[in-house]
Amino acid sequence: KAGVTQTPRYLIKTRGQQVTLSCSPISGHRSVSWYQQTPGQGLQFLFEYFSETQRNKGNFPGRFSGRQFSNSRSEMNVSTLELGDSALYLCASSLEPGRSLDTGELFFGEGSRLTVL
Amino acid sequence: AQSVTQPDIHITVSEGASLELRCNYSYGATPYLFWYVQSPGQGLQLLLKYFSGDTLVQGIKGFEAEFKRSQSSFNLRKPSVHWSDAAEYFCAAYQAAGNKLTFGGGTRVLVKP
Repeated sequence: KAGVTQTPRYLIKTRGQQVTLSCSPISGHRSVSWYQQTPGQGLQFLFEYFSETQRNKGNFPGRFSGRQFSNSRSEMNVSTLELGDSALYLCASSLEPGRSLDTGELFFGEGSRLTVL
Repeated sequence: AQSVTQPDIHITVSEGASLELRCNYSYGATPYLFWYVQSPGQGLQLLLKYFSGDTLVQGIKGFEAEFKRSQSSFNLRKPSVHWSDAAEYFCAAYQAAGNKLTFGGGTRVLVKP
């Protein structure tokens, strides 16, 4: 069974540009969550999607957005990039949050490392 | 506010020595608890999880964790560390109502030969 796949793995952008990151969850998983990891702030929750609907959102500005497609694949977008957006962006998938089958366990991809110059 | 705290930012241990990483949580009710490990440049891998029942939980790679409700703690242990255990370890808590994992700040483990 393939794991969570994130693309691209590495990318470099300049301030003011925008970026789109992609995440393919484990087959059968319908929930996709995004986390930002930085040395200063650690792992911070961005948002979670289930059945193409954003169900939960962390405390990030509106420049951070995402969406989920009918096949559960997800993308996140960051517009008007700032230096502080440099981070490892981790995607995680899970079954169905809140349902009896789901235990809260997240399966993580290897991340997309974004550098903003 | 719900939070997870890992008091130790760095820990250095000698290969073959025992390891204990501390984790405390602050939640209204006992959340589901997890330990993840992250090797450099990699994503997070689940080591073990606690939902209910036995307070001593066994995980992969020889790790175990003990849940203590009275202390709101979920400490991770390994009797004898290997050089390959050098990584960053994250404790996390999940509650269905919030539908997300809250992570501690992480503990970076260095293993001396």
